Amino acid sequence: KQEVTQIPAALSVPEGENLVLNCSFTDSAIYNLQWFRQDPGKGLTSLLLIQSSQREQTSGRLNASLDKSSGRSTLYIAASQPGDSATYLCAVRPHDYKLSFGAGTTVTVRA
Amino acid sequence: NAGVTQTPKFQVLKTGQSMTLQCAQDMNHEYMSWYRQDPGMGLRLIHYSVGAGITDQGEVPNGYNVSRSTTEDFPLRLLSAAPSQTSVYFCASSPEAALVTEAFFGQGTRLTVV
Repeated sequence: KQEVTQIPAALSVPEGENLVLNCSFTDSAIYNLQWFRQDPGKGLTSLLLIQSSQREQTSGRLNASLDKSSGRSTLYIAASQPGDSATYLCAVRPHDYKLSFGAGTTVTVRA
Repeated sequence: NAGVTQTPKFQVLKTGQSMTLQCAQDMNHEYMSWYRQDPGMGLRLIHYSVGAGITDQGEVPNGYNVSRSTTEDFPLRLLSAAPSQTSVYFCASSPEAALVTEAFFGQGTRLTVV
């Protein structure tokens, strides 16, 4: 059974600092990994999707890396802003139809 | 561009009551699924469907039923609500059963069972 872990559970940084969010998974046989953002009381917004054949994906200030063999992904957010405050979830899609989620990292960016 | 629409957004039920959470998508996606999200835990898969007329169980299916009579709709039924089913429920869809596509999520239904 795929286990997905996100450490730390919560993170507080001053505005302007770079954010590094970690995601690890136990079974490297995955098709892709997806990073989501969730604001309080809201749904999930997809940030980045990395296919298993890719090593990284970038969108604006966001960069996600994937090391499938070691079961790790990292989401980097450059020059953090208060608007980046949210919970960030990673999810892996193994060789079936079932996304497996981590519990998330709650980020607070202090102005 | 509606995407994935869930109704209602909030619901309070008494123990033993039944209800249906609605999910509809207008993107012609084949694959749809239901998750529940509880504090401190990741989203857990309840049921999923790879196309109209086809459903299967996920990680936590007990107490829930689903059907998929059309491509657009994937309702989740609670036959006899229990306090343990208090949670936030998310519906998701993907363009096809192929595994390389991203998932799109609805805004969630916050359910409280008293």
